[in-house]
Amino acid sequence: GQQLNQSPQSMFIQEGEDVSMNCTSSSIFNTWLWYKQDPGEGPVLLIALYKAGELTSNGRLTAQFGITRKDSFLNISASIPSDVGIYFCAGQNNDMRFGAGTRLTVKP
Amino acid sequence: KAGVTQTPRYLIKTRGQQVTLSCSPISGHRSVSWYQQTPGQGLQFLFEYFSETQRNKGNFPGRFSGRQFSNSRSEMNVSTLELGDSALYLCASRPNYRGTEAFFGQGTRLTVV
Repeated sequence: GQQLNQSPQSMFIQEGEDVSMNCTSSSIFNTWLWYKQDPGEGPVLLIALYKAGELTSNGRLTAQFGITRKDSFLNISASIPSDVGIYFCAGQNNDMRFGAGTRLTVKP
Repeated sequence: KAGVTQTPRYLIKTRGQQVTLSCSPISGHRSVSWYQQTPGQGLQFLFEYFSETQRNKGNFPGRFSGRQFSNSRSEMNVSTLELGDSALYLCASRPNYRGTEAFFGQGTRLTVV
């Protein structure tokens, strides 16, 4: 099946620092999405990318759809404590496949 | 607009029993997908329904089944429960099949004892 490799698995950063995570695949996707999940809740959509090379921002979050359509990255600038959670990338064709997640811890 | 609603939120069942979980998508959304989330396996795709028809299926045994009603509400059923079926089951809705972002419910936490 279509496997997504997401890295890093976890990050421990200081409040105010920037964060970068990425996702790669052996398969091409038509859409890349980034979600954040808090404990005991469902994932919440952060950013959706529809076109190769597309760079999209949502507040302090910036994501890019790789030119090969096989990768995507997410940057969070000036992290704050409420950024804590698990971030998932997802590649979508007919269905949606997820990366294993990046667990982010932000120290005040 | 109400979000995706999953019921129940929590469920405890015994091995060998069966369980039915429910998902009401966002109003106007016609596609419903189901996922299983476990610490070891992450988010695994179960199946997707659109217009009452199963469009895609993940790699799960036949004990996992689903259906979608004419109002787009969906149910998934797991028969002959095993301990390994303990997981958070998530439902996601999309306006259409293909090419649109999915929105998730809060999930149903199933514990099999």
